[in-house]
Amino acid sequence: AQRVTQPEKLLSVFKGAPVELKCNYSYSGSPELFWYVQYSRQRLQLLLRHISRESIKGFTADLNKGETSFHLKKPFAQEEDSAMYYCALRNQAGTALIFGKGTTLSVSS
Amino acid sequence: NAGVTQTPKFRVLKTGQSMTLLCAQDMNHEYMYWYRQDPGMGLRLIHYSVGEGTTAKGEVPDGYNVSRLKKQNFLLGLESAAPSQTSVYFCASSFDIPKVAFFGQGTRLTVV
Repeated sequence: AQRVTQPEKLLSVFKGAPVELKCNYSYSGSPELFWYVQYSRQRLQLLLRHISRESIKGFTADLNKGETSFHLKKPFAQEEDSAMYYCALRNQAGTALIFGKGTTLSVSS
Repeated sequence: NAGVTQTPKFRVLKTGQSMTLLCAQDMNHEYMYWYRQDPGMGLRLIHYSVGEGTTAKGEVPDGYNVSRLKKQNFLLGLESAAPSQTSVYFCASSFDIPKVAFFGQGTRLTVV
């Protein structure tokens, strides 16, 4: 079965602290994984995708096939990072994205 | 460049009423989707379309119908609204196989 699990509903950190948002997946074959972000009063938007191996706004995510994980990391959190973060997986048929339940990141000073 | 536009932004319905949510995209995208967002449940796929004239069921299709008569529009219908359909509905589109999906601003629907 294809599934995305985000175990944390809420992650609260202080400004400047490291951040790790967890994402685990279940998939047969080679998965395509993404992180989407929804800032307050804004629409959901793509943050990064594993195939690009890019760093966006200081965030990185590495696909670990052995642990079936795609955790999102940032070394130093900023207040403007506060948002809802969704991990997503392209479904087996390649026709849609399956989203996790989301994690709210709250960064305070 | 409007991107993905949803109409309406807010709506309150009485149980048993019907309504249609409209999603329009101006990016010539083939794929379009309807998701619902509920607290603690994340985004769940209702229906999707891989091209004009095609539709398919997602994870939670019951109680909803869709149509894609024109490439740029994807309609979501509720024939007989129920309180369980109170949610925020998001439409999205992507060029081909879903990698980068562009989302609409959402429609907040309350069924009383």
